[in-house]
Formats: sequence, C-alpha cells, structure tokens
Amino acid sequence: DTAVSQTPKYLVTQMGNDKSIKCEQNLGHDTMYWYKQDSKKFLKIMFSYNNKELIINETVPNRFSPKSPDKAHLNLHINSLELGDSAVYFCASSQDVGKRTQYFGPGTRLLVL
Amino acid sequence: GDSVTQMEGPVTLSEEACLTINCTYTATGYPSLFWYVQYPGEGLQLLLKATKADDKGSNKGFEATYRKETTSFHLEKGSVQVSDSAVYFCALIVSGGSYIPTFGRGTSLIVHP
Repeated sequence: DTAVSQTPKYLVTQMGNDKSIKCEQNLGHDTMYWYKQDSKKFLKIMFSYNNKELIINETVPNRFSPKSPDKAHLNLHINSLELGDSAVYFCASSQDVGKRTQYFGPGTRLLVL
Repeated sequence: GDSVTQMEGPVTLSEEACLTINCTYTATGYPSLFWYVQYPGEGLQLLLKATKADDKGSNKGFEATYRKETTSFHLEKGSVQVSDSAVYFCALIVSGGSYIPTFGRGTSLIVHP
C-alpha cells in the first residue's frame, strides 16, 4: 500500500523530447507538491496544488507544466527537455497547506542525453 | 524570505559515536520545524518535528529541540549505527504566509562499523 507513488522510476531520454511524470497519493491529502533534487542533493520546490488549485509556482521554466486532474493526482509534463533538467524529481503530499508533515514519493530519476 | 542553514557534510563517524547536525533558520513568521531523512535511492521521510518553541521532537533515538531564542533546531543522537547512514534535511514551514516549504541543503552522514 504505497502512500505516494510515482511513475516512472527511471526516465532516460534525448534532448528536445517531451516527457511526463505521474504521481498519485492514496492518503486523502488535499495538497501535493513537486520538488527537484540536483546531484548535490539540493531540494527545490517547483509547484504545489491544494484541492486541484495551483498555490505555489516557483521560478521554473515554462517548459514545466503541472496538471492536477483530481486531488489524488499531480502530474508533471516537461517540454523540450534540456541537459540541465537531469535530476531526481520528487512528488509529495500533505494533509493541507499548513504546518503539516510532507509524505514523499520514491522519486523519478530523469537523465537527459 | 525564509531560509534554513545546515552544517556541510559529509559527517563521518564510527558506530556508537555521538552525532550533532546543526540547523539554524530565519523565518518571516512562526515556523514549524522538521527533520527529514533520505536513505540511498529513496524519497525523504519524516524523522521528527516540533511545532512550537521549547518542543522536543524525538524518534528512533534522534532528538531535536525547537530553540526560538537561538533560531536553531539541532539534530542529536547519542549512539549512531551503520543503518543511520543517510542524508538529513532540516526544514520549516510558516503557515499564514507563503506556505512554501523551505529545506536546508542536506547533511550526509556516513557511519563506519
């Protein structure tokens, strides 16, 4: 019973391609997040949705577009992939936007060649 | 804005040694404070948290006390094990503000037998 799941776990692709990463949580949480972790383990928030509404949109290129079809899902679509997009992308969820614990997925390791 | 500063790693210890990982923060409001742990190849998971001044969070032998006067939340363990080898992240969230979770850069802990 995985609480926060992501697919795929690994993604290897060529520069210029478009790819999507999917995230699902079965915790009944209202808030979901996307983070990018670089090779030095630095974790940076990209987006957050609360009840399917975008509430956090940090400085991220327009090539990244989140989509939340319902409260349990938050997908990340990336257009025109670049070498610098190579990283581990984590989805997370929390009960709400307050001072709540975040539950992280296992990560998607993206490598752009 | 909000920020979290952690000591740089890696921290290398022998089994049964004492551990302290320093964390200090700046926040625009009253934050909740968290320590997350990331084992190799996995997502982050909550280790402990504290939501108000002088609260002590504890789990798995780890402790951290919310010190408002020194804006610190140092992680401590009296006797580390090889299985504690991981990356540790200090984090905060200020509700009533931007709700943007802020993470430190992570501190890698390596414990030798």
